[in-house]
Amino acid sequence: DIQMTQSPSSVSASVGDRVTITCRASQGIRSWLAWYQQKPGKAPKLLIYAASSLQSGVPSRFSGGGSGTDFTLTISSLQPEDFATYYCQQASSFPLTFGGGTKVEVK
Amino acid sequence: EVQLLESGGGLVQPGGSLRLSCSASGFTFSSYAMTWVRQAPGKGLEWVSSMSGSATSTYYAGSVKGRFTISRDNSKNTLYLQMNSLRAEDTAIYYCAKVPSNGWYFWDYWGQGTLVTVSS
Repeated sequence: DIQMTQSPSSVSASVGDRVTITCRASQGIRSWLAWYQQKPGKAPKLLIYAASSLQSGVPSRFSGGGSGTDFTLTISSLQPEDFATYYCQQASSFPLTFGGGTKVEVK
Repeated sequence: EVQLLESGGGLVQPGGSLRLSCSASGFTFSSYAMTWVRQAPGKGLEWVSSMSGSATSTYYAGSVKGRFTISRDNSKNTLYLQMNSLRAEDTAIYYCAKVPSNGWYFWDYWGQGTLVTVSS
């Protein structure tokens, strides 16, 4: 199974900050990586797919990068609605696996 | 508008069974693989099972293989998850989700989830 390791597990930030979350796969997954945002009591929302493609309707302050084993999700200027938990997910092979999540909290 | 609506969750005793349903609308259901993802209270996301649009291919997480069965009725636009031999660790919100394109196993639309509680 491919293990997905996210870091940090939590980050404290202020509105306007640049926030970067990393995700590492235990083996190469090319660009088969997605990022989701989840707010309390809500279903996850797809932000980025194929490592760097922005899902329709997602603000351009979100961007993804990387390939192989190392990936990043960057929020260029944090907005109030961005405080949430973020998950990466590998879509390369079964069993599909998620990272443990990164909670973006108010500083 | 794509809509996914799960139902069938509830309280069940350890060792019991439950069948979840996911009613889909707003897209050609038979053309898309569908998936169940769960989230235990206060925990992260866990992929459970996926099925191709034609129902010819199925995939399971090791933690549920042999106990859970995914199925679909394309004439009713409905996805199912039959859960047997339930354990306390199966307690979670269960989401159904749709892939954006066949062969791509990430998910662009999710239901609101249904809560399954396994407890005596």
